[in-house]
Amino acid sequence: GNSVTQMEGPVTLSEEAFLTINCTYTATGYPSLFWYVQYPGEGLQLLLKATKADDKGSNKGFEATYRKETTSFHLEKGSVQVSDSAVYFCALLNYGGATNKLIFGTGTLLAVQP
Amino acid sequence: GAVVSQHPSRVICKSGTSVKIECRSLDFQATTMFWYRQFPKQSLMLMATSNEGSKATYEQGVEKDKFLINHASLTLSTLTVTSAHPEDSSFYICSSREAGASSYNSPLHFGNGTRLTVT
Repeated sequence: GNSVTQMEGPVTLSEEAFLTINCTYTATGYPSLFWYVQYPGEGLQLLLKATKADDKGSNKGFEATYRKETTSFHLEKGSVQVSDSAVYFCALLNYGGATNKLIFGTGTLLAVQP
Repeated sequence: GAVVSQHPSRVICKSGTSVKIECRSLDFQATTMFWYRQFPKQSLMLMATSNEGSKATYEQGVEKDKFLINHASLTLSTLTVTSAHPEDSSFYICSSREAGASSYNSPLHFGNGTRLTVT
């Protein structure tokens, strides 16, 4: 079946530190991969996505590369800011079959300290 | 951008009562609404998918008589937790996709979620 595993948090960093949040997946076929972000008190927002192997999604300084050989989609940012503090969800969408459903990871809380 | 308004954001109710959660698409038509539930330190789990004007499709293990979903219009879907019990305490969140958009290219728009506590 399809599943997403992401690193447990919380991840606590100082401002301007380098961020990596690991995400690996299990899926049949060729899923699309996503990172969603949930800021305090808000709903989930799409941060970036990649639809095929070796694609790199990027947005707001965040990047993630779709690695089929390692079934990974790790989220990275070179220099985090306090405003990046949020919960980050890795997700996959496998097309075909009866329904197209987003499968989420457990979410990783990122806390950036000034 | 597209906004999904979800209410209430928090609700506390007594065991045995029913609670209704509303999700409205404010500036687009949502033919499909997805309802998720999240337990502490666990993934968002899809509960059901509703399509405007038709019955919802529930995921395996989700009691359709307990979690009533209504999607009567293109801008409103509701989830009613009937005869709530403490084990129903959770975070519920809705999401939708604009009418006519394909799942391939169009992102989901999420509500802010509802924290339900059943005492």
